[in-house]
Amino acid sequence: DQQVKQNSPSLSVQEGRISILNCDYTNSMFDYFLWYKKYPAEGPTFLISISSIKDKNEDGRFTVFLNKSAKHLSLHIVPSQPGDSAVYFCAASSTGTASKLTFGTGTRLQVTL
Amino acid sequence: NAGVTQTPKFQVLKTGQSMTLQCAQDMNHNSMYWYRQDPGMGLRLIYYSASEGTTDKGEVPNGYNVSRLNKREFSLRLESAAPSQTSVYFCASSDYRVLGGTWYFGPGTRLTVT
Repeated sequence: DQQVKQNSPSLSVQEGRISILNCDYTNSMFDYFLWYKKYPAEGPTFLISISSIKDKNEDGRFTVFLNKSAKHLSLHIVPSQPGDSAVYFCAASSTGTASKLTFGTGTRLQVTL
Repeated sequence: NAGVTQTPKFQVLKTGQSMTLQCAQDMNHNSMYWYRQDPGMGLRLIYYSASEGTTDKGEVPNGYNVSRLNKREFSLRLESAAPSQTSVYFCASSDYRVLGGTWYFGPGTRLTVT
């Protein structure tokens, strides 16, 4: 039972354009969401987060949108840069579950010149 | 400030051998975790420790044991390795609070069981 789903295994975007990565969740108890970026042979690094009391959070080129009614969140990267090429994981947690973090399967983003 | 460190970085075991993966964090976090990453599966939680002195099973605990040695250190033990345990293992720690916080990950241990 995959509670956090990233249905696009890969995405290719031209440099300078917008990258949109999508994530869906099924557990209505999730109330805090994070995006992680992962390069090969490295651990995941935190990118941006959003709590369920917000519908948007922005940090520089990165914006995360949360649609609670649709149980959907998205990560927008504008403008995309070649260094953004990595695997992006969506993750979620819920209050009262001893801070367990549940991950999606990841989307590989390639930013082309 | 090293963050989360893991040893070893690489390991090859034969079926039935045992080993312990070590993890330490220097951020004074209460919570620590062990995840495994397999192709197409994302990261799956093996065990976690919400605070010093407590440990709990995650999604895929079979074949593993853990020890929260102190606030800094959280080890993962494979008593009798199996080929299905070939994976990349990540340790993490967290400053989680209600509707906030971040999970910090180590660089990973790449384990092959033949």
